[in-house]
Amino acid sequence: GAGVSQTPSNKVTEKGKYVELRCDPISGHTALYWYRQSLGQGPEFLIYFQGTGAADDSGLPNDRFFAVRPEGSVSTLKIQRTERGDSAVYLCASSKGLADTQYFGPGTRLTVL
Amino acid sequence: EDQVTQSPEALRLQEGESSSLNCSYTVSGLRGLFWYRQDPGKGPEFLFTLYSAGEEKEKERLKATLTKKESFLHITAPKPEDSATYLCALYSGGYQKVTFGTGTKLQVIP
Repeated sequence: GAGVSQTPSNKVTEKGKYVELRCDPISGHTALYWYRQSLGQGPEFLIYFQGTGAADDSGLPNDRFFAVRPEGSVSTLKIQRTERGDSAVYLCASSKGLADTQYFGPGTRLTVL
Repeated sequence: EDQVTQSPEALRLQEGESSSLNCSYTVSGLRGLFWYRQDPGKGPEFLFTLYSAGEEKEKERLKATLTKKESFLHITAPKPEDSATYLCALYSGGYQKVTFGTGTKLQVIP
């Protein structure tokens, strides 16, 4: 079956602009996670959804970042007033349920000029 | 605070030269330890999940083991296609988020 997909694969934007990153999880997976990965580092947790609700958003760095999952499937990570420090690869993962193995998408590389 | 430390940061092996990667952890209530492989420009690819001390899992040239304080990823007779960054991660009890280590970058030379 299809894996986790993310769009776009690359996004270049200017400082101060708004961006949306999309994640399509594996069909039937109820849990969805967003991570941010900087060069040479492991993925860093941002937010986790169980169904439609954000069960843990403790990793979001500030209020410019928020994410939604309105129908319990596709999720969108939204970043307002982007800053150069937001440049990174944004990874999405999904799992069947709580504490199950997470399967990752290919990521979106965000570059803020 | 839960921590995951991987060593070495980088490892260069000749083809066929077996070795081990280490993942040390401190966690309040381990609920699962994961190994992933990540190729440049791609998302992490799942390899293994280990749940309790003493557990071992194997896949082709890879074998993962777990103790109460660390996990090892043993690579037997590696090939150049095994070159990648190997990430260790864990769920901690009471939380649903996963904490990752910084990875070991493995290069296998023909």
